[in-house]
Amino acid sequence: EAGVAQSPRYKIIEKRQSVAFWCNPISGHATLYWYQQILGQGPKLLIQFQNNGVVDDSQLPKDRFSAERLKGVDSTLKIQPAKLEDSAVYLCASSEGTGGAGTGELFFGEGSRLTVL
Amino acid sequence: GENVEQHPSTLSVQEGDSAVIKCTYSDSASNYFPWYKQELGKGPQLIIDIRSNVGEKKDQRIAVTLNKTAKHFSLHITETQPEDSAVYFCAAKEVRTGGFKTIFGAGTRLFVKA
Repeated sequence: EAGVAQSPRYKIIEKRQSVAFWCNPISGHATLYWYQQILGQGPKLLIQFQNNGVVDDSQLPKDRFSAERLKGVDSTLKIQPAKLEDSAVYLCASSEGTGGAGTGELFFGEGSRLTVL
Repeated sequence: GENVEQHPSTLSVQEGDSAVIKCTYSDSASNYFPWYKQELGKGPQLIIDIRSNVGEKKDQRIAVTLNKTAKHFSLHITETQPEDSAVYFCAAKEVRTGGFKTIFGAGTRLFVKA
C-alpha cells in the first residue's frame, strides 16, 4: 500500500515570498491533515479536511496560509507571504475517518522542510 | 482545549536498559492515547496506542500504561536497542463536536548507546 506522498521535500525561500506544498493521501482515506512541526516541538494541527470540507482550521494563520482539497483527494497548502517564523517541517497526514468508535490512526508523509531566509 | 505535556525532553540510556517516557493530559474527555516514533527525516509513525477503558497494553518490548484518575500515561521500552533511537511523541485524542483532534506532546529524543 502506497503511503502519504508529499512534495517538495525541501524548499528555501526569502521572506515575503510564496510557497506551496502538495500532498497525496493514502487511497480511500477520507480525512487529511496538515501539521506544522517547528524544530524541537511536536506537530501542531493547521487544518483538517473531511473529504473536501474543512473540519478544523482554527490554528491556521488565515492572513497568510491557505489550503484546499479539491475533489476530496490531493491537497495543497500555500503560504503567502512567508515569514521567518514559518520555517518548519510541514507534515501531511491522512486517516480513514475522524474517529467515533475508531481510533483515526494518523499516517504521516515524510514532510516538506521549509527554510525562510 | 486539550494540552499534553511530555517528559523528559531528552533521554539517554545504555543498550539493554529500559526507557520510560511520561505524559500528562488535561481534558478528561480524551479517550485515546497513541504514541508515535519519528526517525530522522521521516514523518511520525504509530507504534502503540491505548484506549481510556484499558489500563495497560503491551506489544513485545513496548508497553503503555494509563492512569485516568491522574490523567497521565507512560511509554515503557525494555531491552533498548540502538534502532530505538528516535524522537517519541505522546498524543491525546480530544473529543469535540464535529470530530476528533489529536494533540501532540513536545517529544522526547531517545538516545540508545551501544
